[in-house]
This record gives sequence, C-alpha cells and structure tokens, in this order.
Amino acid sequence: KNQVEQSPQSLIILEGKNCTLQCNYTVSPFSNLRWYKQDTGRGPVSLTIMTFSENTKSNGRYTATLDADTKQSSLHITASQLSDSASYICVAPSGSARQLTFGSGTQLTVLP
Amino acid sequence: DAGVIQSPRHEVTEMGQEVTLRCKPISGHNSLFWYRQTMMRGLELLIYFNNNVPIDDSGMPEDRFSAKMPNASFSTLKIQPSEPRDSAVYFCASSLRLAESTDTQYFGPGTRLTVL
Repeated sequence: KNQVEQSPQSLIILEGKNCTLQCNYTVSPFSNLRWYKQDTGRGPVSLTIMTFSENTKSNGRYTATLDADTKQSSLHITASQLSDSASYICVAPSGSARQLTFGSGTQLTVLP
Repeated sequence: DAGVIQSPRHEVTEMGQEVTLRCKPISGHNSLFWYRQTMMRGLELLIYFNNNVPIDDSGMPEDRFSAKMPNASFSTLKIQPSEPRDSAVYFCASSLRLAESTDTQYFGPGTRLTVL
C-alpha cells in the first residue's frame, strides 16, 4: 500500500529559528515528491517538486532534500517568519502517477 | 492571470439537495483536478481531466458525485443528492500538463461545503 507519513504532526517554534519537517514515503514506482504550503482557509501552494535524480532543491528560505534510498524527504525552513505558520503537506504520485498519495501534513506555528 | 477561480466560496445546503461547484482553471492549462479536504481524511484527489477528458475518476467516492468539463475554461463538480458526510472543502487545481509530469499544480481558494 502506498503511504506518505509526515512528522511531527505539529510544531511550534519562535520567530527566527530554523526547523525541519520530515516525510517518509513508500510509493512505487516513484516519480516525484512535492511539498506544499497551505495557509489556513487557503488552497495549497507548491513549494518544491523533486524528481528521483534530485537530492536537494531550494525555494527561498525553504530547502527540500530527498534520499531515494531511504525513501525520506525533509523540508528545512531557515530563519522562520510569522508568515511561515501553515500546514506543510508532502505528496508523492504513485502507481501510474495518476494517483497522488498525500501526507497528513505538519502544522507549523511560528510565535513572535 | 487571476489564478484558479472557484465558486461559490461557501455553500450551505440541506441533506438531499443538489450541489454544484464551479471552477475556472488558469488559461492555457491542460489539466484540471478536483480535490476534497477534510480533517479526518486530509486531501484526496477525486478526479482529473486532461484536455477536457476525464482521465482518472477512481477517487470519486460514490455515484452521487459527478464531474464535467465541457470546455477548457470551465468545470463542474456535482453532488446529487448531498449528504452531511460530504461536508468538506473542495479544491480545484490546474496545471500545464498531465498529473504524471512535474508541472506545478495551482490550487483555487476552495469551496467550503456544509450539508446540514
């Protein structure tokens, strides 16, 4: 069964601090792995899309890593801001890539 | 571009009523997706279209759900009859190419549906 598991479920940090969110996936065959940011009451916004051959990808203060051997991905947020408070969702297409397996998300709260 | 447009933003209806959700994808995008998000189940892909043709509807929960895309700029998701367990936020998203590609999917603001 294809699965995407995220940890932690929730995280609270102080503004300016760094944090790392984890995503473990078991999908086959692997196509790509995506990280989305979803603000409360809004639709998800794509942060990164990583293919099998990519180990790391950055988008501003967001850096995603991918280890295809261990089937793990992480999203590192540097110098957090209040606006980073959101749910971060890990997504992996599976099978024929027509089925998208979603993680349950990590709820990040950044406090002043 | 205005992005993906969804209407209505909020819908409250009574059990048994027909509900129609609407979506206008980003101009030039060839793929359109309908998602449902609940606290219990998270985000789920319901159906997606490529060039106005339904490619995969295996995520559609029941026959009460149907989706159409009569042209490249408009799609509907219909629930008939609606039930309280259909209460959720329904998102529409579009991308340039197929779900298999690595193209970014752009999500609309969602329609919050409440079935009483």
